[in-house]
Amino acid sequence: DAGVTQSPTHLIKTRGQQVTLRCSPKSGHDTVSWYQQALGQGPQFIFQYYEEEERQRGNFPDRFSGHQFPNYSSELNVNALLLGDSALYLCASRARGGSGDSPLHFGNGTRLTVT
Amino acid sequence: GNSVTQMEGPVTLSEEAFLTINCTYTATGYPSLFWYVQYPGEGLQLLLKATKADDKGSNKGFEATYRKETTSFHLEKGSVQVSDSAVYFCALLGRGGADGLTFGKGTHLIIQP
Repeated sequence: DAGVTQSPTHLIKTRGQQVTLRCSPKSGHDTVSWYQQALGQGPQFIFQYYEEEERQRGNFPDRFSGHQFPNYSSELNVNALLLGDSALYLCASRARGGSGDSPLHFGNGTRLTVT
Repeated sequence: GNSVTQMEGPVTLSEEAFLTINCTYTATGYPSLFWYVQYPGEGLQLLLKATKADDKGSNKGFEATYRKETTSFHLEKGSVQVSDSAVYFCALLGRGGADGLTFGKGTHLIIQP
């Protein structure tokens, strides 16, 4: 049973470019969240998707957008990249029918470097 | 807003030592509290949780008690092993979960044989 899988594992982009990160949730999970983890910091909540809609959003600008597909997989898009967007991007999923405080299962992340 | 403060690392201990990692929080209402752990080369995974005051979460010999009066959720283990070496994150989920999990900065724990 595969856990949460993210692709790519590493990515290098230039300032001003756009990037798309991908996530497949664990089997039996339908809620996907995205987090940004800067070096030496804890993860910060970007947004959460459920039933193909953004349900909750953290304090991130509109340059950060996402999508959830009917198979529950998700994408994170970041436009007009800034140097400060360099971070580890984590995807997390929650089991179908789980409550808000049910365990999140995290992927290993995508390391984005903006030069 | 919500915030979590945990002790800075790295914390270096000898095998079989007693472990405490301090965590305090600020939140409106009564959040749920969590400890997540990240072993080398792996993703974050839930270690334990507590959802109301005076609850004690426990797993793999680790324990933490939800203390409303001190707004704390300190992680403890009586006898650590080399395999406990990892980064530990304290986190909270506000009521309604509107802002997702709020994490502390993480504490890197190193256990020496």
